[in-house]
Amino acid sequence: EAQVTQNPRYLITVTGKKLTVTCSQNMNHEYMSWYRQDPGLGLRQIYYSMNVEVTDKGDVPEGYKVSRKEKRNFPLILESPSPNQTSLYFCASSPRADKAFFGQGTRLTVV
Amino acid sequence: AQTVTQSQPEMSVQEAETVTLSCTYDTSENNYYLFWYKQPPSRQMILVIRQEAYKQQNATENRFSVNFQKAAKSFSLKISDSQLGDTAMYFCAFMNMIYNQGGKLIFGQGTELSVKP
Repeated sequence: EAQVTQNPRYLITVTGKKLTVTCSQNMNHEYMSWYRQDPGLGLRQIYYSMNVEVTDKGDVPEGYKVSRKEKRNFPLILESPSPNQTSLYFCASSPRADKAFFGQGTRLTVV
Repeated sequence: AQTVTQSQPEMSVQEAETVTLSCTYDTSENNYYLFWYKQPPSRQMILVIRQEAYKQQNATENRFSVNFQKAAKSFSLKISDSQLGDTAMYFCAFMNMIYNQGGKLIFGQGTELSVKP
């Protein structure tokens, strides 16, 4: 089954404790992105990748890092999480310019 | 920069009736895609319908159809014969077809739709 898998689905952490949200896709897509969803703002792109070892900033990259060492994986790293990073996060992949496939979402709370 | 606006934060409809969700966008590009995504309480993002800007014909998927007005930069979603399972947040989204930053989607703020029995 074609899918994007992200883990964990729920995470509560404390300010400053490094965390990683994993994302993996099995569709051999070149393009992958991370979004955050906040009430009244819709989803906004954090980082994106157009291929292995090719990543760049989206609209809200501050406080986040990503890597793309393999085509299928695109982890999101928060080196020092802060409460303003409390949000719902989505990983997405797409075959170049076309519809995106989304993961199940990760609800992150930073206290 | 492209923007997408959904001016209806909440809407409700009676089961079996028809409802239309509004979306406007701003772009100077000529080649792009427009999408409607559904997000039920499970939070999963589900693609409802997709429209290529170069196609004049409005896209249709079963009970879902769009009214795409390119000159007016309007992209509304019509849901016919509404069902309880249509209750969800609906997002309108834009993607530039060529220079799209890794398939970047630009989303509207969302419209919360409630279908009442």
